Amino acid sequence: KQEVTQIPAALSVPEGENLVLNCSFTDSAIYNLQWFRQDPGKGLTSLLLIQSSQREQTSGRLNASLDKSSGRSTLYIAASQPGDSATYLCAVFETSGSRLTFGEGTQLTVNP
Amino acid sequence: GAGVSQSPRYKVAKRGQDVALRCDPISGHVSLFWYQQALGQGPEFLTYFQNEAQLDKSGLPSDRFFAERPEGSVSTLKIQRTQQEDSAVYLCASSSRRLAAEQYFGPGTRLTVT
Repeated sequence: KQEVTQIPAALSVPEGENLVLNCSFTDSAIYNLQWFRQDPGKGLTSLLLIQSSQREQTSGRLNASLDKSSGRSTLYIAASQPGDSATYLCAVFETSGSRLTFGEGTQLTVNP
Repeated sequence: GAGVSQSPRYKVAKRGQDVALRCDPISGHVSLFWYQQALGQGPEFLTYFQNEAQLDKSGLPSDRFFAERPEGSVSTLKIQRTQQEDSAVYLCASSSRRLAAEQYFGPGTRLTVT
């Protein structure tokens, strides 16, 4: 059974820092990996999707990498801002199933 | 354009009541997914539709949970005889292609069973 783990569970940084969120998964047979942002009481906003054949994707200050063989992904946030404060979730779509399997998330706080 | 919408946004039910949660996917999206998110946890898969066909319902926790998408657009998740452990946020997502396309999520319905 696929298991997705995110480290750290919570992170607090001062504004302007660059930071890295980590995601690992146990079964490398995946179609893609997706990073989401969730604000309190809200749904999920898709940030980046990396296909299994890709190594990374970039959007603005966000860069996500994927190493499928080792079962790892990282989300890099450059020059963090207070508006980046949210919970960040990673999820994988397995080739054997019809679902996203999520980690438990990293709760990020960026202090002004 | 309009995103995924869900209604109601909040629902309080007494234990034993039946509830129905609605999802309006993005127009034209063929795939629709339901997830359950407990407090402080990541979402967990419930069921998947491709058009009107329910192709995977392996995540439904009990036979009290039932989902339908009769015309391949709007979907309803029904929970019969609600229990306290059913309290969670129920998220709906849709995608433009079969299976492994990017999923777009609605705001969720927060269900509280008292």
